[in-house]
Amino acid sequence: GENVEQHPSTLSVQEGDSAVIKCTYSDSASNYFPWYKQELGKGPQLIIDIRSNVGEKKDQRIAVTLNKTAKHFSLHITETQPEDSAVYFCAAKPHLQLIFGQGTTLQVKP
Amino acid sequence: EAQVTQNPRYLITVTGKKLTVTCSQNMNHEYMSWYRQDPGLGLRQIYYSMNVEVTDKGDVPEGYKVSRKEKRNFPLILESPSPNQTSLYFCASSFSISGYGYTFGSGTRLTVV
Repeated sequence: GENVEQHPSTLSVQEGDSAVIKCTYSDSASNYFPWYKQELGKGPQLIIDIRSNVGEKKDQRIAVTLNKTAKHFSLHITETQPEDSAVYFCAAKPHLQLIFGQGTTLQVKP
Repeated sequence: EAQVTQNPRYLITVTGKKLTVTCSQNMNHEYMSWYRQDPGLGLRQIYYSMNVEVTDKGDVPEGYKVSRKEKRNFPLILESPSPNQTSLYFCASSFSISGYGYTFGSGTRLTVV
């Protein structure tokens, strides 16, 4: 079955810097790659997603890139702010299931 | 407000005592799913349902049961809870029958002693 690896597990950046979180997947049938943000005490919330026919997608300060050949995709957050501090999860969808990575705790220091 | 509602938010129980965690969505979504979240392991799928009376196992179904008698409700049942089921549980629903674009509930923190 699908296996999603996410790195790093923790990431600390200064406010205003960029943050990058990387994921790899194993099943070439995966065609949908969402990213979720989980704030303390809350459920994960979808922040951006990308489908396999697209290489890059942007939404204001957030962007996701996908390399299907290498089976990896990344989340890029520019001009980070303290409210970006949260746990971020990547996921891949080969069929009817959504398989998640292990999560990255992002800390943005003021 | 469109949402997925889980109850209870917190639950402490003893080994072997049957319990049910409820999940309800008000978005007329076809697809519903249960996940458990454990440190270092991310979110792992327990069961999912593409429609009423249609359920299937996820990656970690052992020790759990589900039912989908109505479109809006998808309860998670632990017939005989054990300490290794202590975890944070999330229910999610999707507008897509295939499971795109999940909306998650706020979570249920379960402790089995």
